[in-house]
Amino acid sequence: SQQGEEDPQALSIQEGENATMNCSYKTSINNLQWYRQNSGRGLVHLILIRSNEREKHSGRLRVTLDTSKKSSSLLITASRAADTASYFCATVPMTTDSWGKFQFGAGTQVVVTP
Amino acid sequence: EAGVAQSPRYKIIEKRQSVAFWCNPISGHATLYWYQQILGQGPKLLIQFQNNGVVDDSQLPKDRFSAERLKGVDSTLKIQPAKLEDSAVYLCASSLAGQLSSYEQYFGPGTRLTVT
Repeated sequence: SQQGEEDPQALSIQEGENATMNCSYKTSINNLQWYRQNSGRGLVHLILIRSNEREKHSGRLRVTLDTSKKSSSLLITASRAADTASYFCATVPMTTDSWGKFQFGAGTQVVVTP
Repeated sequence: EAGVAQSPRYKIIEKRQSVAFWCNPISGHATLYWYQQILGQGPKLLIQFQNNGVVDDSQLPKDRFSAERLKGVDSTLKIQPAKLEDSAVYLCASSLAGQLSSYEQYFGPGTRLTVT
């Protein structure tokens, strides 16, 4: 079963608009990471947020984490056509034995039209 | 720095045939992962190595899938015999060693397998 569930499944916006997607998870986590996947390519790491952090920024990306609600959001500001991709959240559960055990959600497909 | 290398990029086989995928991680990365990504889904972890030891293979269908990481560097993933439902992209990733996976993973381009 997938720990992280992204919402929405698909998002279509125009260049310059902001894109927001959410990730919900079920068990306590050590950290949560967001990845981007362009069509036919491997995943690229975007940002990591630890369980004791609430917000992180990286360029046009802003990630929030609410551990009480077990949810995270990824905001892409001033989107560009090159941001067209699938975005995945990956969680690492907080257990006594947490080697790896990355769990990816099904992803949000974002299409940015010029 | 060179990224994670995978080969082949594409493979088409008939069901019941066997296939092998190869991965070369980033130099110095002790942790190596194999994922299966079915179209429209997120990657599913199949197996994780720490150096040449298996850390997690709980989702690896061991009756048909096998993987090894000789000398703690390159790795191969084999499917024998293949089934139609094995059609997917097989992704290899690597990261610096670390418990609780605090480190980001670097992914290769993947191998797209089609089983007919």
